[in-house]
Amino acid sequence: DTGVSQDPRHKITKRGQNVTFRCDPISEHNRLYWYRQTLGQGPEFLTYFQNEAQLEKSRLLSDRFSAERPKGSFSTLEIQRTEQGDSAMYLCASSPVAGSRNEQFFGPGTRLTVL
Amino acid sequence: QQQVKQSPQSLIVQKGGISIINCAYENTAFDYFPWYQQFPGKGPALLIAIRPDVSEKKEGRFTISFNKSAKQFSLHIMDSQPGDSATYFCAAKNFNKFYFGSGTKLNVKP
Repeated sequence: DTGVSQDPRHKITKRGQNVTFRCDPISEHNRLYWYRQTLGQGPEFLTYFQNEAQLEKSRLLSDRFSAERPKGSFSTLEIQRTEQGDSAMYLCASSPVAGSRNEQFFGPGTRLTVL
Repeated sequence: QQQVKQSPQSLIVQKGGISIINCAYENTAFDYFPWYQQFPGKGPALLIAIRPDVSEKKEGRFTISFNKSAKQFSLHIMDSQPGDSATYFCAAKNFNKFYFGSGTKLNVKP
C-alpha cells in the first residue's frame, strides 16, 4: 500500500459544469477527511467520514457540494454547477483505526481550475 | 475567524541555521497540535506533533515548544538544510476537526 491516492490529479472545467473527485484511503483506515486548500493558505476542513457515515460537514460546504463514502472504503466529492471560486486544491486524508488516531495521512490532492 | 494564527508568512535561513515558526490559538479545547511539511504539488506530511500536557517534544532536528498558558506553540528546525525548503503548517485538533494555520514558506539558502 503506497498511501492515500486521489484521482484525477488535475481537473480543468468550465463554469457551470459538474465535477467529481475520488479518494482512495490507506487500507483499513476508517476515518476519511476532505479539505480545500487555496493558494497561500492552509487546508480548510470540508467534511469527515467514519466508515461510511458522514459525521461532520463544514459550513464551507454549500449545497453544491456532496461527498459520499459507500461501504466505508473510497470516497467521492462532487461539485455541481462549478463556480470560479471553487478553484482550489482538494485534499483527502485518512486516519488509522489503531495506533495514533490523531495522525492524518494526506493524498497528493486534486487541483481544480474553473474557467 | 482563523482558529490558528501562524507567523511568519515566509522565512529565509542560511544552511546550518535555526528556523523558528510560531503559532497561536484561542480555543482551549484543542487537544493535539501537529506540524505538517508540504512540498509543491504534494499533500502535507506529518512532521511532528505534541499534546498540551507536554511542553517540548524533539524528533531529530525538529522540536516543538508548547506554552499552554500563552496558548502558543512553535517549531524549531535545527541545522536547517536546503532540503528543508518547503511550506510548513501548524494545526490544532478539536474532536475530529483539524484547523490549520496559513503556512510558512521556508527557504534555506545553501
